[in-house]
Amino acid sequence: RKEVEQDPGPFNVPEGATVAFNCTYSNSASQSFFWYRQDCRKEPKLLMSVYSSGNEDGRFTAQLNRASQYISLLIRDSKLSDSATYLCVVNYRYGGSQGNLIFGKGTKLSVKP
Amino acid sequence: NAGVTQTPKFQVLKTGQSMTLQCAQDMNHEYMSWYRQDPGMGLRLIHYSVGAGITDQGEVPNGYNVSRSTTEDFPLRLLSAAPSQTSVYFCASSYGTVYNEQFFGPGTRLTVL
Repeated sequence: RKEVEQDPGPFNVPEGATVAFNCTYSNSASQSFFWYRQDCRKEPKLLMSVYSSGNEDGRFTAQLNRASQYISLLIRDSKLSDSATYLCVVNYRYGGSQGNLIFGKGTKLSVKP
Repeated sequence: NAGVTQTPKFQVLKTGQSMTLQCAQDMNHEYMSWYRQDPGMGLRLIHYSVGAGITDQGEVPNGYNVSRSTTEDFPLRLLSAAPSQTSVYFCASSYGTVYNEQFFGPGTRLTVL
C-alpha cells in the first residue's frame, strides 16, 4: 500500500501559538496534495490544496518539498477553533487511471486557552 | 443544496446480515466514492465511480458491492456482514475528477455483532 505518514500527536498548544505538522509520502509520482480537517466524530473537510510553490490561506501556510517527498502545514496564531485532526492527503496514480487519494492517519491538534 | 447525504446515521447488524448504505448528492458531481475509517487508520477507499454506470474497486473492496445507476446515487451494499466491517463509512463526491475538493457526507456508524 502506498503510504502517507503523519505524526499522530496530539499537539497541545496554547492559544496564539504557531504549530507545524509534517507529512511524508512514498509515491514519487504523486501530483496532487491536500490538507483536510476532521472534527471529532464529523466528516473530513478540505482545508487547503498544496501547490508546488507553496500557498497561504489566512493563518494557514502549506509547503511542498518534492525532492524529500514531504508536505507541511503551518498554523499561526492558533485559535481554540483550530482544535481538530488534520489529514494529509496525496493522490496515487497507477497505469492510465486518474488514480485515487491516500489519506494519512491524521495529526491531532488541541489548542488550549 | 443538501450536499452529500448518507443514511442511516447509525446501524447495528448481526453477523451474516446484509444491508445497503445509501449515499446521494445534489451537486451533479461525476466522481463518487466510499471510504471506511477505523481507529488508528487513515480513510481507506472501498469503491469509487467516475460516472453513472461506471464503478471500480478501491483498496478494500472485499465484502462490498456498489452500483451507480444515476449521477446522484451511489449505494454501498454489505453482502454478508462480518465484525471486521464494524467501522465508520463515509461517502464522498467531487466535480469531475478525484483531484478536486472531495465533499463528504456525515458518515454512517456501523456495528456488526
